[in-house]
Amino acid sequence: DAGVIQSPRHEVTEMGQEVTLRCKPISGHNSLFWYRQTMMRGLELLIYFNNNVPIDDSGMPEDRFSAKMPNASFSTLKIQPSEPRDSAVYFCASSQGLWGQTQYFGPGTRLTVL
Amino acid sequence: AQSVTQLDSQVPVFEEAPVELRCNYSSSVSVYLFWYVQYPNQGLQLLLKYLSGSTLVKGINGFEAEFNKSQTSFHLRKPSVHISDTAEYFCAVSANSGNTPLVFGKGTRLSVIA
Repeated sequence: DAGVIQSPRHEVTEMGQEVTLRCKPISGHNSLFWYRQTMMRGLELLIYFNNNVPIDDSGMPEDRFSAKMPNASFSTLKIQPSEPRDSAVYFCASSQGLWGQTQYFGPGTRLTVL
Repeated sequence: AQSVTQLDSQVPVFEEAPVELRCNYSSSVSVYLFWYVQYPNQGLQLLLKYLSGSTLVKGINGFEAEFNKSQTSFHLRKPSVHISDTAEYFCAVSANSGNTPLVFGKGTRLSVIA
C-alpha cells in the first residue's frame, strides 16, 4: 500500500504567488482531511470531505484558501495569494469513514512563503 | 465541543525508564480517544485508540493507555522506553456521534536520553 501521497514535499514561494498542494488518499478511503501544523497553533483541521463532498470548511482561515476534491483519488488545497503567515506544514489524511476511524496521514508539504 | 489538554509540552526520560504522557479532555458527550505519534519530518500515525469496551487499550510499540471517565483522562504509558521512541505525541478526541471533527492536543515532545 502506497499510503497517502502528497506533493510537493517542499514548496518555497514569494508572497502573492498562488500555491497548490496536492493529495492522493489511500484507495478505498472515502474521507479526506486537510490539516495545517505550526509551532504556535499546533495541528489545525482546515477542511474535510466525505465521498468527495466538502462537509466542513470552518477551519479554513481566509477566503484566500480553497480546497477541491474532483474525484475519490485526488484533492487540492490552494492558497491565492499566499502570505508569509501561511508558512507551515500542511498534511492530508484519509480514512474509511469519519470519526472513530483511523486517519492515515501523508508525509506533509512544508510551505515557506517569503 | 470537545477539547484536549496535554499537560506537558516536553518530557525527557532516560532510556529503559518508564514514561507517562498525560492527556485530559473536555466533552459533554461520550467520546472516542486517540494517541498519535509523529516522528521527525513525518506525518502522524496512530498508536492506539479507545472507542468502547475495555478502558485499558494496548497499541503499537509497547504503548498502552487507560481511559478514565471520572477523571476525563487518557494517559499514555510505556514501561521501558527506547531511543527510537523519541518523537512528538498527540492526544485527540472526538464525540462518538454526529459530525464532530477530531480535535488534537498541542502535543508532547518525548526525548529519550541514552
